[in-house]
Amino acid sequence: LAKTTQPISMDSYEGQEVNITCSHNNIATNDYITWYQQFPSQGPRFIIQGYKTKVTNEVASLFIPADRKSSTLSLPRVSLSDTAVYYCLVGAQGGTASKLTFGTGTRLQVTL
Amino acid sequence: DTGVSQDPRHKITKRGQNVTFRCDPISEHNRLYWYRQTLGQGPEFLTYFQNEAQLEKSRLLSDRFSAERPKGSFSTLEIQRTEQGDSAMYLCASSLGGVTYEQYFGPGTRLTVT
Repeated sequence: LAKTTQPISMDSYEGQEVNITCSHNNIATNDYITWYQQFPSQGPRFIIQGYKTKVTNEVASLFIPADRKSSTLSLPRVSLSDTAVYYCLVGAQGGTASKLTFGTGTRLQVTL
Repeated sequence: DTGVSQDPRHKITKRGQNVTFRCDPISEHNRLYWYRQTLGQGPEFLTYFQNEAQLEKSRLLSDRFSAERPKGSFSTLEIQRTEQGDSAMYLCASSLGGVTYEQYFGPGTRLTVT
């Protein structure tokens, strides 16, 4: 089971780009990297998923280096509404559900 | 709104009472998951259904917890003889296809045991 390490918290000003890095040194060959966002008193929301190189959608970009031992979630031009907890998950699609481990996440605080 | 609904949103109960929560997943999703989340922690896996079959249960799930998904549609999570340590947010998620990390979560049910 690939363990992930993320910063506990980050601060940013509105309008800046925010990069949150997740370390997963023992990632397995068939593991994917998935990021979720969670606002207070709400369930987590799927943001993005990738296997290697770069993935981009309307919300964020995910950068994965060739060795896949880390990944970076990039949020362009954050706003106050991006204040949330961000979780990095690593695991194989089609595996066992009990291995879906969220960890404690990174608490992002965006201010004016 | 992800399309996953949970009821009730809040529940306050006295220690020793039984409580039941309901989850209505996205209609075409065949996979349903239950998680528990305490303050400052990420969601913790409890159990998982594929259609009506309960395929996995966490070792952390005590005998006081039971979940069902009759007919593969909505699901219920019951906690018997509640304890103060059961106070948490109970989250339901659903997905399509096999076990996947792309899950759609409901808003959760916040349980407070007094």
